Amino acid sequence: GESVGLHLPTLSVQEGDNSIINCAYSNSASDYFIWYKQESGKGPQFIIDIRSNMDKRQGQRVTVLLNKTVKHLSLQIAATQPGDSAVYFCADRGWGAQKLVFGQGTRLTINP
Amino acid sequence: DTAVSQTPKYLVTQMGNDKSIKCEQNLGHDTMYWYKQDSKKFLKIMFSYNNKELIINETVPNRFSPKSPDKAHLNLHINSLELGDSAVYFCASSQTGQPQHFGDGTRLSIL
Repeated sequence: GESVGLHLPTLSVQEGDNSIINCAYSNSASDYFIWYKQESGKGPQFIIDIRSNMDKRQGQRVTVLLNKTVKHLSLQIAATQPGDSAVYFCADRGWGAQKLVFGQGTRLTINP
Repeated sequence: DTAVSQTPKYLVTQMGNDKSIKCEQNLGHDTMYWYKQDSKKFLKIMFSYNNKELIINETVPNRFSPKSPDKAHLNLHINSLELGDSAVYFCASSQTGQPQHFGDGTRLSIL
């Protein structure tokens, strides 16, 4: 069945350092991928997305990399700040499908 | 403010009761969703409506019934609540093909 998983459930980095959150997916038919950030007591907040015809996309301090060969997705956050502490989710959607399949989530903690 | 808003934020009730959660979006989106997030933070789609038509209906007990009176509203009614229904329920909306925007959740606790 389709599933989206994460390599690390928790990640701690020093403020100002870069962080990388990884995600593996299993559906080779997935053509859309998305990262969300969820702060405590809040709903998931859209960060960045990427379609399968791309392998890299950049936003403000964030970069998503897609490796379709090994079905791997990563989120890079540059110059981390305390406000980056949250749970980060990857999700994918199969081609022609209507639903997102979410991974388990990685808790990112930024240490001062 | 433009947003996805859901009420109530917290819901504490006894097993066996019937309860409803309401969701409204003023983003002009054509699709709305209900998700369940368990204690381990796992997010799973339950239902989705596009222009008031049910398009996703995951394997959810039929005690859960969504209702979409119009494009801007998607409510969730739950009959005969069970202990296992305790979770955070999120409403979301999107324009077809675009990222989903989530509400801040309803934390449901069954006593």
